[in-house]
Amino acid sequence: EAAVTQSPRNKVAVTGGKVTLSCNQTNNHNNMYWYRQDTGHGLRLIHYSYGAGSTEKGDIPDGYKASRPSQENFSLILELATPSQTSVYFCASGARNSGNTLYFGEGSRLIVV
Amino acid sequence: QEKVQQSPESLIVPEGAMVSLNCSFSDSASQSIWWYQQHPGKGPKALISIFSNGNKKEGRLTVYLNRASLHVSLHIKDSQPSDSAVYLCAVYSGGSNAKLTFGKGTKLSVKS
Repeated sequence: EAAVTQSPRNKVAVTGGKVTLSCNQTNNHNNMYWYRQDTGHGLRLIHYSYGAGSTEKGDIPDGYKASRPSQENFSLILELATPSQTSVYFCASGARNSGNTLYFGEGSRLIVV
Repeated sequence: QEKVQQSPESLIVPEGAMVSLNCSFSDSASQSIWWYQQHPGKGPKALISIFSNGNKKEGRLTVYLNRASLHVSLHIKDSQPSDSAVYLCAVYSGGSNAKLTFGKGTKLSVKS
């Protein structure tokens, strides 16, 4: 079974602070994704990556940065956290081919106060 | 931007019932359609996918795709309490901007 590990699992941050959510995958997948999930909105794509050194903007990138320093690791960075970024964040990985299965982590619950 | 809409929002059925979930999408060029299952406090898990018009069966699951009407449905036969979860429809758009776009989900409760 493919493995995607997120850290931290729970985080409380202050408004204006910097938050980094980390994701590690041991599947040797090229593609990695960051989604956020909110009631009434479902899963929305923030940033994604096709491989080490690449990052692409998803559907809601404003207020977020991403970093892919290696095949295994993909981070989501909130430079100036705001209460509207309170959410559950999911990282996923997938192979680079049409219709690839995405493997999700267990999620990171972020509360910005 | 791909739009994915699911219905109903929630569904309660007795154990053993046939469950039908619906999903409509906006882009006829979408390469594949996926169904994911998500239990509370967990990440989504892929259940079944379909690429071509028609149907596909895997165990108790059957998925039907009609590209002309931009509609896909998931049917769960002989539902069990363990099937209680949120079911997410996702559309894969390939090419230079490959990504999965998700619907908001259908919450299924199977009562024993």
